[in-house]
Amino acid sequence: EPEVTQTPSHQVTQMGQEVILRCVPISNHLYFYWYRQILGQKVEFLVSFYNNEISEKSEIFDDQFSVERPDGSNFTLKIRSTKLEDSAMYFCASSPVFPGTATPNTEAFFGQGTRLTVV
Amino acid sequence: KNQVEQSPQSLIILEGKNCTLQCNYTVSPFSNLRWYKQDTGRGPVSLTIMTFSENTKSNGRYTATLDADTKQSSLHITASQLSDSASYICVVSARGGYNKLIFGAGTRLAVHP
Repeated sequence: EPEVTQTPSHQVTQMGQEVILRCVPISNHLYFYWYRQILGQKVEFLVSFYNNEISEKSEIFDDQFSVERPDGSNFTLKIRSTKLEDSAMYFCASSPVFPGTATPNTEAFFGQGTRLTVV
Repeated sequence: KNQVEQSPQSLIILEGKNCTLQCNYTVSPFSNLRWYKQDTGRGPVSLTIMTFSENTKSNGRYTATLDADTKQSSLHITASQLSDSASYICVVSARGGYNKLIFGAGTRLAVHP
C-alpha cells in the first residue's frame, strides 16, 4: 500500500543550526503538508503546498521555515536557525485531488514523522 | 477561535468492552470531521471522515457520529482489542482550508487484558 515516507526518523541538532526534514509523498498526490506536534501538545498545521507554491500557512510558519519540492518526488521542510522550542515531531502529509479539479481530496495521509531534538 | 475539545483525556477499559469518546468543536465554516488513531511515536491514521450531511459512519469496530447542529461528535469502539490502545484524535477541517486540519488533544485509550 502506498505511504508517505519521512527521513530521518530522528534528528538531533544544535541550536542555531539549519536542518532539512525530508518527505516522499504518495506518488500521485498533488497537495503536500507539514504539521508539527510538540511533546504532549496537539498536532498543529504549518503549511500546505500545491503546484510548486505555498497555498496556505499558519502563524507558526515564519521566516525561519521554508518548503521546497526540489524534484519530482521529494518535499522538504527547512528550518534555518533552529531554536530549542522547535523540538517536536514533524509530520508530512499528502492528498490527491478530485479528478478534473485542483481541489484536494479530503483524505490526508500522514507519514511516520521526524522527531527533531534541538540541544 | 477555531477549537476542537475532546473528552475524556484518558480512558482505561478491559479487553472486549465498548467505549465512547467525545468531541466538541467550534470550527466555522465547517467542512468535515475526521477521527484519527495515533500510536505513540507514529503518524495519525484516518478512521472516518464525515461531512455535515452525514450523521454516522462506520469502519469495522469503529462507529463515528456527528451532530452538526450541536457541533458534537463521538467515536464508539466495540469489542475492544489490546491493539486499540492508542490516542484517538478528533480533527476538523474548515471549508476552504484545504486540509488545514484543526486537531483536538486526543483521548489516550489503554485496553487492558
